[in-house]
Amino acid sequence: EVQLVESGGGLVQPGRSLRLSCVASGFTFDECAMHWVRQAPGKGLEWVSGISWNSGSIGYADSVKGRFTISRDNAKNSLYLQMNSLRAEDTALYYCAKDNGHNFDYWGQGTLVTVSS
Amino acid sequence: QSALTQPASVSGSPGQSITISCTGTSSDVGGYNYVSWYQQHPGKAPKLMIYDVSNRPSGVSNRFSGSKSGNTASLTISGLQAEDEVDYYCSSYTSSSTRVFGTGTKVTVL
Repeated sequence: EVQLVESGGGLVQPGRSLRLSCVASGFTFDECAMHWVRQAPGKGLEWVSGISWNSGSIGYADSVKGRFTISRDNAKNSLYLQMNSLRAEDTALYYCAKDNGHNFDYWGQGTLVTVSS
Repeated sequence: QSALTQPASVSGSPGQSITISCTGTSSDVGGYNYVSWYQQHPGKAPKLMIYDVSNRPSGVSNRFSGSKSGNTASLTISGLQAEDEVDYYCSSYTSSSTRVFGTGTKVTVL
């Protein structure tokens, strides 16, 4: 059974940093691209960032480029999102999602990030 | 990276068919056969319903179907049921090798 478990969310002040993690199981992690997708309270889905199986290809949404960094550790079956210079508009539920060739076939339950003073 | 355009809401009576549109550009929807659709229940993670425009993952009801014409993709739900009354999002691969989601559509079963 595929499982994606996110962690690391919480309440953080504007301008500060936070690191999200996603631990994967039930599939061959080092063969799959992975993504972070977020959803602000009461709003729609927004793709944040994606990383290829070997970290050779990485992409970011314009809204987070230069502030967020995606990475992975295939030995630990883990995906990360380092979020710096956080803003109020980054407040959202952050989902980890598995790529299945240009779509997201499995999702975690999300970790909530709240940016507020 | 503008969001793909979906109608905010679509409604239909039980047993009817409804179609949700997803309009993008030639740099995303129109340029690739990599449109996918997701169903999201309140408080739950999205679920993949259609991938690569018209393919259904194992376990997804054949009442759900997808298509594309030009820069617009569509999700059709036939034989509408009360359980279909949730939110739906489209997504596409883009020419920048990124992904983009639609604005989301709330389906109402009358």
